[in-house]
Amino acid sequence: IAGITQAPTSQILAAGRRMTLRCTQDMRHNAMYWYRQDLGLGLRLIHYSNTAGTTGKGEVPDGYSVSRANTDDFPLTLASAVPSQTSVYFCASSKTSGVDEQFFGPGTRLTVL
Amino acid sequence: GQNIDQPTEMTATEGAIVQINCTYQTSGFNGLFWYQQHAGEAPTFLSYNVLDGLEEKGRFSSFLSRSKGYSYLLLKELQMKDSASYLCAVRDSNYQLIWGAGTKLIIKP
Repeated sequence: IAGITQAPTSQILAAGRRMTLRCTQDMRHNAMYWYRQDLGLGLRLIHYSNTAGTTGKGEVPDGYSVSRANTDDFPLTLASAVPSQTSVYFCASSKTSGVDEQFFGPGTRLTVL
Repeated sequence: GQNIDQPTEMTATEGAIVQINCTYQTSGFNGLFWYQQHAGEAPTFLSYNVLDGLEEKGRFSSFLSRSKGYSYLLLKELQMKDSASYLCAVRDSNYQLIWGAGTKLIIKP
């Protein structure tokens, strides 16, 4: 089934631990994105990739890193988790980084204690 | 700074019509999107406006006025399944989406 998958679905993490959130799409979309969604705030862009091999910083990149080794995968890493990174994380993709709509994965609910 | 404003919450009756407004101030404009998000789920695409005017898609319509920095989403013949949050997002000069906080729509029988 075409779409975007994310793993894990949810995770409780101790502060200071390293964590990688996985995102895979099978739509052959060029552009991919990582957002966080917090209550009362809009989706905020963490990092993006316009095409395989390139990445860019979004609105709230600090404490996060990404890589885009191929078209399908776009993992997000928290090097040393802090409680303020407790959030719901959504991965999204679009055909191009231009005018196309974005398709979202089901999200990862992360709690940092 | 960049800003997207939407009402936090709205209530409407099943079978009625509701209009959800969105005003924006962004660095550049390359289109406006509306997404629907049911509780605990991912956002899903509803509509896209880049030119002024009304775009109609079934029970949903979206309007844009670029000169006023204003859009609305119109939902007709409301159904209980329309209870969700509706997110307004503007693509800025860097082609990044700037998102509003969303409007939670509650449908009552």
